[in-house]
Amino acid sequence: KQEVTQIPAALSVPEGENLVLNCSFTDSAIYNLQWFRQDPGKGLTSLLLIQSSQREQTSGRLNASLDKSSGRSTLYIAASQPGDSATYLCAVLIQGAQKLVFGQGTRLTINP
Amino acid sequence: SQTIHQWPATLVQPVGSPLSLECTVEGTSNPNLYWYRQAAGRGLQLLFYSVGIGQISSEVPQNLSASRPQDRQFILSSKKLLLSDSGFYLCAWSAGLGHNEQFFGPGTRLTVL
Repeated sequence: KQEVTQIPAALSVPEGENLVLNCSFTDSAIYNLQWFRQDPGKGLTSLLLIQSSQREQTSGRLNASLDKSSGRSTLYIAASQPGDSATYLCAVLIQGAQKLVFGQGTRLTINP
Repeated sequence: SQTIHQWPATLVQPVGSPLSLECTVEGTSNPNLYWYRQAAGRGLQLLFYSVGIGQISSEVPQNLSASRPQDRQFILSSKKLLLSDSGFYLCAWSAGLGHNEQFFGPGTRLTVL
């Protein structure tokens, strides 16, 4: 059974810092990995999608990496801003299914 | 561009009452459609998915059901709500076959009293 873990559960940093969010998964048989952002009471916004054959994807100040063999992904946020405050979720699409398996998320707070 | 709508945004229902949540997608054809539930402390859980009209797959046993009467319409229903059905219900879509990105709607907050 695929399990996805995100550490830390919460993170608070001052504005301007670079930071890394971690995601690990137990079964490397995945199609892809997706990072999402969720603001309180809102739906999920897709940030980055990494296919299983890729090692990283970049969008603006965000960079996501994937090491499928070790079951790990990281989301790097450069020059953090208060507007980056949200919960960040990673999810893997498991092979042989249409199912995204989610981590519990990291609640990020950027302090001005 | 594609957009996904859900309604209602919030709903308060008594135990034992029926439920109908609606999700529609615009700007794409033959999408895969998904219903997820996000409950406090339990993360996001896939409830149903559909790869075409009338085709529904259920991921977890429960008193909920789903239907897809039209290509871009996905409905979540219950005949009798339980307290445990409370949560945040999210609809999502992805483009057809393949390992594509999933896009989520704004969600419906359901409280069962």
